[in-house]
Amino acid sequence: AQSVTQPDIHITVSEGASLELRCNYSYGATPYLFWYVQSPGQGLQLLLKYFSGDTLVQGIKGFEAEFKRSQSSFNLRKPSVHWSDAAEYFCAVGLNYGGSQGNLIFGKGTKLSVKP
Amino acid sequence: DSGVTQTPKHLITATGQRVTLRCSPRSGDLSVYWYQQSLDQGLQFLIQYYNGEERAKGNILERFSAQQFPDLHSELNLSSLELGDSALYFCASSPRGLAGEIADTQYFGPGTRLTVL
Repeated sequence: AQSVTQPDIHITVSEGASLELRCNYSYGATPYLFWYVQSPGQGLQLLLKYFSGDTLVQGIKGFEAEFKRSQSSFNLRKPSVHWSDAAEYFCAVGLNYGGSQGNLIFGKGTKLSVKP
Repeated sequence: DSGVTQTPKHLITATGQRVTLRCSPRSGDLSVYWYQQSLDQGLQFLIQYYNGEERAKGNILERFSAQQFPDLHSELNLSSLELGDSALYFCASSPRGLAGEIADTQYFGPGTRLTVL
Protein backbone atom coordinates (compact mmCIF):
# COMPACT_ATOMS: atom_id res chain seq x y z
CA ALA A 1 0.00 0.00 0.00
CA GLN A 2 1.10 3.53 -0.63
CA SER A 3 2.43 5.42 2.36
CA VAL A 4 4.48 8.42 3.33
CA THR A 5 6.66 8.51 6.43
CA GLN A 6 7.96 11.62 8.09
CA PRO A 7 10.14 10.23 10.88
CA ASP A 8 10.46 13.45 12.83
CA ILE A 9 7.32 14.63 14.59
CA HIS A 10 8.91 17.79 15.96
CA ILE A 11 12.16 19.57 15.13
CA THR A 12 13.63 22.67 16.75
CA VAL A 13 16.35 24.66 15.00
CA SER A 14 17.97 27.99 15.71
CA GLU A 15 17.27 30.91 13.45
CA GLY A 16 19.90 31.04 10.74
CA ALA A 17 20.72 27.34 11.00
CA SER A 18 20.20 24.91 8.16
CA LEU A 19 17.20 22.61 8.02
CA GLU A 20 16.47 19.20 6.60
CA LEU A 21 13.09 17.53 6.97
CA ARG A 22 12.95 13.89 6.07
CA CYS A 23 10.35 12.15 3.95
CA ASN A 24 10.25 8.55 2.78
CA TYR A 25 7.56 7.08 0.60
CA SER A 26 6.37 3.66 -0.38
CA TYR A 27 4.86 3.51 -3.84
CA GLY A 28 5.19 1.04 -6.67
CA ALA A 29 4.99 3.43 -9.59
CA THR A 30 6.79 6.67 -10.40
CA PRO A 31 5.67 9.04 -7.68
CA TYR A 32 4.55 12.61 -7.93
CA LEU A 33 5.93 14.24 -4.78
CA PHE A 34 4.96 17.38 -2.92
CA TRP A 35 5.81 19.40 0.14
CA TYR A 36 3.15 21.57 1.73
CA VAL A 37 3.39 23.92 4.69
CA GLN A 38 0.63 24.69 7.17
CA SER A 39 0.85 27.66 9.52
CA PRO A 40 -1.35 27.59 12.64
CA GLY A 41 -4.98 28.05 11.73
CA GLN A 42 -4.18 28.20 8.03
CA GLY A 43 -4.65 25.99 5.02
CA LEU A 44 -1.96 24.11 3.15
CA GLN A 45 0.42 26.05 0.97
CA LEU A 46 2.40 24.30 -1.74
CA LEU A 47 6.16 24.71 -1.26
CA LEU A 48 7.42 22.62 -4.16
CA LYS A 49 6.70 19.57 -6.28
CA TYR A 50 8.51 16.89 -8.23
CA PHE A 51 6.95 15.34 -11.29
CA SER A 52 9.93 14.31 -13.42
CA GLY A 53 13.28 15.53 -14.68
CA ASP A 54 15.85 17.20 -12.45
CA THR A 55 15.80 15.49 -9.09
CA LEU A 56 16.67 18.69 -7.22
CA VAL A 57 13.67 20.99 -7.21
CA GLN A 58 13.44 24.56 -6.03
CA GLY A 59 10.42 25.94 -4.28
CA ILE A 60 9.14 29.08 -2.68
CA LYS A 61 10.59 30.76 0.41
CA GLY A 62 14.09 29.42 -0.32
CA PHE A 63 13.21 25.74 0.10
CA GLU A 64 14.51 22.92 -2.06
CA ALA A 65 14.02 19.17 -2.09
CA GLU A 66 15.88 16.28 -3.62
CA PHE A 67 14.24 13.16 -5.00
CA LYS A 68 16.33 10.02 -4.46
CA ARG A 69 14.68 7.05 -6.08
CA SER A 70 17.17 4.54 -4.63
CA GLN A 71 16.31 5.69 -1.11
CA SER A 72 12.62 6.38 -1.75
CA SER A 73 13.17 9.78 -0.21
CA PHE A 74 12.20 13.36 -0.90
CA ASN A 75 13.87 15.43 1.81
CA LEU A 76 13.18 19.13 2.20
CA ARG A 77 16.05 21.53 2.88
CA LYS A 78 16.67 25.16 3.59
CA PRO A 79 20.14 26.63 4.11
CA SER A 80 19.13 29.30 6.63
CA VAL A 81 15.91 29.16 8.62
CA HIS A 82 13.90 32.27 9.46
CA TRP A 83 11.57 32.63 12.44
CA SER A 84 8.66 32.87 10.02
CA ASP A 85 9.37 29.30 8.85
CA ALA A 86 7.92 27.92 12.09
CA ALA A 87 4.98 25.80 10.92
CA GLU A 88 4.01 22.23 10.18
CA TYR A 89 5.38 20.62 7.04
CA PHE A 90 3.71 17.83 5.14
CA CYS A 91 5.19 15.57 2.53
CA ALA A 92 2.75 13.96 0.09
CA VAL A 93 2.67 11.46 -2.74
CA GLY A 94 0.27 11.98 -5.61
CA LEU A 95 -1.11 8.67 -6.75
CA ASN A 96 -0.30 7.83 -10.35
CA TYR A 97 -3.33 6.54 -12.25
CA GLY A 98 -1.74 5.34 -15.47
CA GLY A 99 0.22 8.54 -15.89
CA SER A 100 -2.28 10.96 -14.46
CA GLN A 101 -2.31 12.11 -10.88
CA GLY A 102 -5.04 11.30 -8.43
CA ASN A 103 -5.42 12.12 -4.78
CA LEU A 104 -2.61 12.81 -2.34
CA ILE A 105 -1.34 10.55 0.42
CA PHE A 106 0.12 12.65 3.22
CA GLY A 107 2.69 11.99 5.88
CA LYS A 108 1.84 12.78 9.49
CA GLY A 109 3.73 16.05 9.32
CA THR A 110 6.79 17.54 10.99
CA LYS A 111 6.30 20.50 13.27
CA LEU A 112 9.15 23.00 13.01
CA SER A 113 9.97 25.34 15.88
CA VAL A 114 12.56 28.09 15.44
CA LYS A 115 14.65 29.35 18.36
CA PRO A 116 15.77 33.00 18.32
CA ASP B 1 -4.33 33.07 -1.17
CA SER B 2 -4.76 29.89 -3.21
CA GLY B 3 -7.97 31.02 -4.90
CA VAL B 4 -9.96 28.18 -3.32
CA THR B 5 -12.67 29.37 -0.97
CA GLN B 6 -14.46 27.41 1.72
CA THR B 7 -17.45 28.32 3.85
CA PRO B 8 -18.11 28.42 6.66
CA LYS B 9 -14.77 28.90 8.39
CA HIS B 10 -16.04 27.43 11.65
CA LEU B 11 -19.02 25.23 12.41
CA ILE B 12 -20.19 24.06 15.82
CA THR B 13 -23.01 21.58 16.01
CA ALA B 14 -24.39 18.73 18.10
CA THR B 15 -24.18 14.99 17.71
CA GLY B 16 -26.79 13.55 15.36
CA GLN B 17 -27.03 16.71 13.29
CA ARG B 18 -26.33 17.26 9.59
CA VAL B 19 -24.10 19.96 8.11
CA THR B 20 -23.04 21.09 4.66
CA LEU B 21 -19.60 22.41 3.83
CA ARG B 22 -19.11 24.42 0.69
CA CYS B 23 -16.12 24.81 -1.59
CA SER B 24 -15.50 27.02 -4.60
CA PRO B 25 -12.51 25.91 -6.66
CA ARG B 26 -10.01 28.16 -8.38
CA SER B 27 -11.31 29.71 -11.55
CA GLY B 28 -11.04 27.16 -14.36
CA ASP B 29 -10.18 24.17 -12.17
CA LEU B 30 -12.27 21.11 -12.97
CA SER B 31 -11.27 18.79 -10.14
CA VAL B 32 -12.27 19.15 -6.51
CA TYR B 33 -10.89 17.02 -3.69
CA TRP B 34 -12.05 16.78 -0.08
CA TYR B 35 -9.70 15.92 2.77
CA GLN B 36 -10.21 15.52 6.50
CA GLN B 37 -7.50 16.53 8.99
CA SER B 38 -7.75 15.19 12.52
CA LEU B 39 -5.21 14.77 15.30
CA ASP B 40 -5.34 10.98 15.30
CA GLN B 41 -5.73 10.26 11.57
CA GLY B 42 -3.78 13.13 10.06
CA LEU B 43 -4.73 14.28 6.56
CA GLN B 44 -6.97 11.77 4.82
CA PHE B 45 -8.44 11.88 1.34
CA LEU B 46 -12.21 11.60 1.27
CA ILE B 47 -13.46 12.01 -2.28
CA GLN B 48 -12.70 13.60 -5.66
CA TYR B 49 -14.98 15.05 -8.32
CA TYR B 50 -14.05 15.94 -11.86
CA ASN B 51 -16.37 18.19 -13.86
CA GLY B 52 -19.41 17.07 -11.91
CA GLU B 53 -18.64 13.36 -11.81
CA GLU B 54 -17.29 11.37 -8.89
CA ARG B 55 -13.82 10.14 -9.81
CA ALA B 56 -12.24 8.59 -6.73
CA LYS B 57 -13.21 7.69 -3.19
CA GLY B 58 -10.99 7.38 -0.18
CA ASN B 59 -11.80 6.83 3.46
CA ILE B 60 -15.20 8.45 3.29
CA LEU B 61 -17.87 7.25 5.69
CA GLU B 62 -21.30 6.26 4.40
CA ARG B 63 -22.75 9.09 6.49
CA PHE B 64 -20.79 11.53 4.33
CA SER B 65 -21.59 12.45 0.76
CA ALA B 66 -20.50 15.06 -1.72
CA GLN B 67 -21.43 16.51 -5.04
CA GLN B 68 -20.08 18.94 -7.59
CA PHE B 69 -22.48 21.29 -9.30
CA PRO B 70 -22.52 22.59 -12.90
CA ASP B 71 -20.77 25.79 -11.80
CA LEU B 72 -18.05 23.48 -10.37
CA HIS B 73 -18.53 24.39 -6.74
CA SER B 74 -18.74 21.40 -4.42
CA GLU B 75 -20.53 20.55 -1.22
CA LEU B 76 -19.65 17.97 1.39
CA ASN B 77 -22.60 16.74 3.43
CA LEU B 78 -21.98 15.19 6.82
CA SER B 79 -24.91 13.56 8.58
CA SER B 80 -25.62 11.77 11.87
CA LEU B 81 -22.61 13.55 13.24
CA GLU B 82 -20.50 11.96 15.95
CA LEU B 83 -17.92 13.45 18.28
CA GLY B 84 -15.20 11.79 16.23
CA ASP B 85 -16.19 13.77 13.14
CA SER B 86 -14.74 16.90 14.71
CA ALA B 87 -11.91 17.86 12.38
CA LEU B 88 -10.63 20.35 9.86
CA TYR B 89 -12.10 19.71 6.42
CA PHE B 90 -10.12 20.90 3.44
CA CYS B 91 -11.14 21.31 -0.12
CA ALA B 92 -8.52 21.37 -2.86
CA SER B 93 -8.84 22.00 -6.57
CA SER B 94 -6.69 21.25 -9.57
CA PRO B 95 -6.99 22.00 -13.26
CA ARG B 96 -7.19 18.40 -14.36
CA GLY B 97 -7.16 15.11 -12.50
CA LEU B 98 -8.50 13.00 -15.35
CA ALA B 99 -6.98 9.77 -16.64
CA GLY B 100 -4.60 10.44 -19.47
CA GLU B 101 -3.69 13.91 -18.32
CA ILE B 102 -0.27 14.83 -17.00
CA ALA B 103 0.59 15.28 -13.36
CA ASP B 104 -1.39 17.94 -11.61
CA THR B 105 -1.09 20.26 -8.62
CA GLN B 106 -3.72 20.60 -5.92
CA TYR B 107 -4.36 23.97 -4.33
CA PHE B 108 -5.94 23.96 -0.91
CA GLY B 109 -8.55 26.18 0.63
CA PRO B 110 -8.33 27.52 4.19
CA GLY B 111 -10.51 24.75 5.59
CA THR B 112 -13.68 24.47 7.64
CA ARG B 113 -13.21 23.60 11.28
CA LEU B 114 -16.07 21.39 12.43
CA THR B 115 -16.70 20.91 16.13
CA VAL B 116 -19.28 18.35 17.18
CA LEU B 117 -20.43 18.68 20.78
